[in-house]
Amino acid sequence: TQLLEQSPQFLSIQEGENLTVYCNSSSVFSSLQWYRQEPGEGPVLLVTVVTGGEVKKLKRLTFQFGDARKDSSLHITAAQPGDTGLYLCAGAGNRDDKIIFGKGTRLHILP
Amino acid sequence: KAGVTQTPRYLIKTRGQQVTLSCSPISGHRSVSWYQQTPGQGLQFLFEYFSETQRNKGNFPGRFSGRQFSNSRSEMNVSTLELGDSALYLCASSLGVLGANTEAFFGQGTRLTVV
Repeated sequence: TQLLEQSPQFLSIQEGENLTVYCNSSSVFSSLQWYRQEPGEGPVLLVTVVTGGEVKKLKRLTFQFGDARKDSSLHITAAQPGDTGLYLCAGAGNRDDKIIFGKGTRLHILP
Repeated sequence: KAGVTQTPRYLIKTRGQQVTLSCSPISGHRSVSWYQQTPGQGLQFLFEYFSETQRNKGNFPGRFSGRQFSNSRSEMNVSTLELGDSALYLCASSLGVLGANTEAFFGQGTRLTVV
């Protein structure tokens, strides 16, 4: 069974600080996606990474896919209250097309 | 263009009843997938439909079923409801089948409470 472990589960930091959240697995994935979900809404796709070692930047967000395609990280620089939400990573496996989601990191940025 | 629409947004049902949830995908999208989201288990895959055929199924009991119509709209049915079925049910649509590079667009979900 492919599992995605996200850490930390909860993170509360002050506006302006930097943070990193992690998504780890013992399995190899064809790709990893990061979503952000706000209360009362469905998840919204932020990025897809497909190549081992790939780094993608989206304004203050930096996403990295591990060399072995088993893990990923999301780094946020100078966090803002608008970054508050549930961050989910999702992996697409090699054997089938099911998308596996981690349980998420709930991020709260204090103004 | 209009996003993914799920109806109803909120639902309260009694144990033992059955419920049908509806999902209208983005126009032109042929894949609809369903997920159950709970605080304890996170987002769990229920099933995916593409061109009216179920492509993939998660590890849920047979009480959970679905279908897709020729216009790509999808319905999900849960029979003999249990308290543990209380959750946010999300559907997502995509142009093609779910895969490594698929972008899935989620609806706002249906919050089901079983009492």
